[in-house]
Amino acid sequence: AQRVTQPEKLLSVFKGAPVELKCNYSYSGSPELFWYVQYSRQRLQLLLRHISRESIKGFTADLNKGETSFHLKKPFAQEEDSAMYYCALKSGNTGKLIFGQGTTLQVKP
Amino acid sequence: NAGVTQTPKFQVLKTGQSMTLQCAQDMNHEYMSWYRQDPGMGLRLIHYSVGAGITDQGEVPNGYNVSRSTTEDFPLRLLSAAPSQTSVYFCASSYWSGLAGTYEQYFGPGTRLTVT
Repeated sequence: AQRVTQPEKLLSVFKGAPVELKCNYSYSGSPELFWYVQYSRQRLQLLLRHISRESIKGFTADLNKGETSFHLKKPFAQEEDSAMYYCALKSGNTGKLIFGQGTTLQVKP
Repeated sequence: NAGVTQTPKFQVLKTGQSMTLQCAQDMNHEYMSWYRQDPGMGLRLIHYSVGAGITDQGEVPNGYNVSRSTTEDFPLRLLSAAPSQTSVYFCASSYWSGLAGTYEQYFGPGTRLTVT
């Protein structure tokens, strides 16, 4: 079964602390994974995709096929990073995405 | 480009009422989808479409209908609203980006629906 799991509903850190938002997936083929971010009362927007191996707003994520994980990391959290973060898995050869439950990141001053 | 637009932004319905949530995109994307967002459940796919005239069910299709008569529009119909359908609904469209080597997905601003 195709599934995305984000085990933490809420992650609270202080400004300047490292952040790691966990994402695990279940997929039989070669996965394509994404991180989306939703700031308060705004639409979801793409943060990064594993295929691009990019760093956006200081965030990085590495696909670990052995551990079936795609954790999102940032070395020094900023208050403006406070948002809901969703990990998503592309399903099939269409634009269909399977989302995790989401993790709220709260960065305290 | 306006991107993905949704109307209305807010709606309150009584149990048993029907309504249509509108979604439109002006980017000529083939793929469109509807999600509902509930606390602790993430986003769950309701219905999706891979092109005009083609729709399919997602994870939670019961109580919802869709149609795709044009590339631009993908309305979601609630046939007989129930309190369990209280949620935030997001429409999305996507296209294959050769540059990115994957699908690029864009979301609408959402419709907050309350069923009493």
